[in-house]
Amino acid sequence: DGGITQSPKYLFRKEGQNVTLSCEQNLNHDAMYWYRQDPGQGLRLIYYSQIVNDFQKGDIAEGYSVSREKKESFPLTVTSAQKNPTAFYLCASSIDSVQASYGYTFGSGTRLTVV
Amino acid sequence: QKEVEQNSGPLSVPEGAIASLNCTYSDRGSQSFFWYRQYSGKSPELIMFIYSNGDKEDGRFTAQLNKASQYVSLLIRDSQPSDSATYLCAVIRVNNNAGNMLTFGGGTRLMVKP
Repeated sequence: DGGITQSPKYLFRKEGQNVTLSCEQNLNHDAMYWYRQDPGQGLRLIYYSQIVNDFQKGDIAEGYSVSREKKESFPLTVTSAQKNPTAFYLCASSIDSVQASYGYTFGSGTRLTVV
Repeated sequence: QKEVEQNSGPLSVPEGAIASLNCTYSDRGSQSFFWYRQYSGKSPELIMFIYSNGDKEDGRFTAQLNKASQYVSLLIRDSQPSDSATYLCAVIRVNNNAGNMLTFGGGTRLMVKP
C-alpha cells in the first residue's frame, strides 16, 4: 500500500540536542512538506520541497533544517537553536506543488517532547 | 489578520443535528479549499475539497463556498458521536515562484453529544 511513514512516533529530546525526524513516502510524489502543530492550534509550515535537491523555508523555519537527497525521503532535523520544540510534527506530500490543489497525504506524525 | 480563520469552539451539537463549521480567508485570489478532520493525537484526513462557488455534497457532508464573501463552510447532517473531532479548514496559497501550498486555520473542535 502506498503512503507516508513517519518515525519515530514518539521522540524525547534533551536540552541542546539535535534530533532528526524521518519521513518516507512511496507515492511517487514530487512535493513534500513539514508542518508543526501545537496543542489546540492549526498546522504551521516549517519547510517544503518541490523536487529532489531543492527545498524552501516555510513560515517558521528558524531552528530547523531539512534535506531532500532522494525523492522518497524528506528528513527534518530539530536543532538546539529551536528553543521550544515540543510539538506534534506532521509530514505531508502531494503529486507536485501545482497539483497541491488536490490536497495532501499526511503521515501519522511524530510527537516530540523536550525533557 | 490571519490568512485562514476559524472559531476554535468547542461547538457542541446533539446527536442527529446539523453541525455547521465556518471558515474565512484573507487572500481573495485563493482558488482551492479543503476540509480536514483530525481526531485527537492523529493526523488530518481529507473530508472534502471545493473549487467553485456554491454547494458540494458528499454523503452527510456539504461544503459551501462563497468567494465574494471569502467564506467557506462545512455542514454535517445527522451528526454522530464519531464525528467528534477537530475540523481544519485549509486554503491553497499560490506562490508562483515556489509552488502552491496549503495554509491551515486553527481548527474548530466539534463535540456531538449522544
